[in-house]
Amino acid sequence: AQKVTQAQTEISVVEKEDVTLDCVYETRDTTYYLFWYKQPPSGELVFLIRRNSFDEQNEISGRYSWNFQKSTSSFNFTITASQVVDSAVYFCALSEASGGGADGLTFGKGTHLIIQP
Amino acid sequence: DAGVTQSPTHLIKTRGQQVTLRCSPKSGHDTVSWYQQALGQGPQFIFQYYEEEERQRGNFPDRFSGHQFPNYSSELNVNALLLGDSALYLCASSLGDREYNEQFFGPGTRLTVL
Repeated sequence: AQKVTQAQTEISVVEKEDVTLDCVYETRDTTYYLFWYKQPPSGELVFLIRRNSFDEQNEISGRYSWNFQKSTSSFNFTITASQVVDSAVYFCALSEASGGGADGLTFGKGTHLIIQP
Repeated sequence: DAGVTQSPTHLIKTRGQQVTLRCSPKSGHDTVSWYQQALGQGPQFIFQYYEEEERQRGNFPDRFSGHQFPNYSSELNVNALLLGDSALYLCASSLGDREYNEQFFGPGTRLTVL
């Protein structure tokens, strides 16, 4: 069965520091999709990125970057020059092709990121 | 363009009661998934509805049931409430039911069972 592990329960850094959120996944599928979502205090999950298992290219979007390594089953998320507005809970999630999407997303337990001014 | 909406925002029930939560998907979306998020945990998949049918169910008992209407909106029903059902219930919609589709989440319904 699929599993997503986010070992960091809470991270606290000072504004402008760089921070990396770790995500390790388990799946037997060869085709799968990985996602990152942000959950601010309001509770609504906000989609950040989707990556399929055949695309190991790193991606950068502004201050956000993602490092996908199939060899270590990891999909880590880095925020460069963090800002107070980045404070939120961040979730990594997995979707397997074998389920055809009907199995929904499997989420990790989340990492609570606190950016101190 | 309205996003995913859920009602009510908050709900307080007592053990043994029944509850119905409602979700309207993002405009143009036809698939609705429901998740339960306990405090301090990640969302857990309950089930997904596509073409008015339940496609798959996560590890939740039959006390949890749902429905999708022709306009793609959906309801989540929970019978015989237990204290452990207290959680944030999230609805997510997508266009199509494929595993790669981006799911858009609503703000959730906070259910408290006393």
